[in-house]
Amino acid sequence: KNEVEQSPQNLTAQEGEFITINCSYSVGISALHWLQQHPGGGIVSLFMLSSGKKKHGRLIATINIQEKHSSLHITASHPRDSAVYICAVVDTGNQFYFGTGTSLTVIP
Amino acid sequence: DGGITQSPKYLFRKEGQNVTLSCEQNLNHDAMYWYRQDPGQGLRLIYYSQIVNDFQKGDIAEGYSVSREKKESFPLTVTSAQKNPTAFYLCASSIWPNYGYTFGSGTRLTVV
Repeated sequence: KNEVEQSPQNLTAQEGEFITINCSYSVGISALHWLQQHPGGGIVSLFMLSSGKKKHGRLIATINIQEKHSSLHITASHPRDSAVYICAVVDTGNQFYFGTGTSLTVIP
Repeated sequence: DGGITQSPKYLFRKEGQNVTLSCEQNLNHDAMYWYRQDPGQGLRLIYYSQIVNDFQKGDIAEGYSVSREKKESFPLTVTSAQKNPTAFYLCASSIWPNYGYTFGSGTRLTVV
């Protein structure tokens, strides 16, 4: 059983579409991270959340602690957004759990 | 610019040989981590270190060894005891506990 489940696993969108990636987790957490992994493999941290909502450019991340659920939204998607998006949670013992990632392809 | 440097990006080794992957950070982070990534699986923790001269096993430490002689450096040795060493290895660092989390660009190790 995975502590972190992401959906969908794969996502293809047309440029300009609004995209949502979902993350559900089963452990009590102190924080949740959304990470972006590009084809070369390097990972960038997009957001760290413990409550509410954060926005950075066209990216929005929300978290509902009671429902143990987070979403990552991309507005006006662009081909350069094509990457793997990984949800990671930190439990109250500082242990990290990673989702298997959502592979996003944005077609021009 | 501050960041994490992993080298090399691609590494090939013969079966039975030990190999060491480099990870250096200039972020002044106390904590450093090594993860392994396999296709279709989430990142799995190999080892982590909170401070110099101290490190702890993660979920899949068997067949690996680390050292933390300097704050900036956390090299990972993949030993011949690791049964399936071919994988993508990611190094990360953070302000303990888990703030300012930063990943390196990774090393893809292929054992032939």
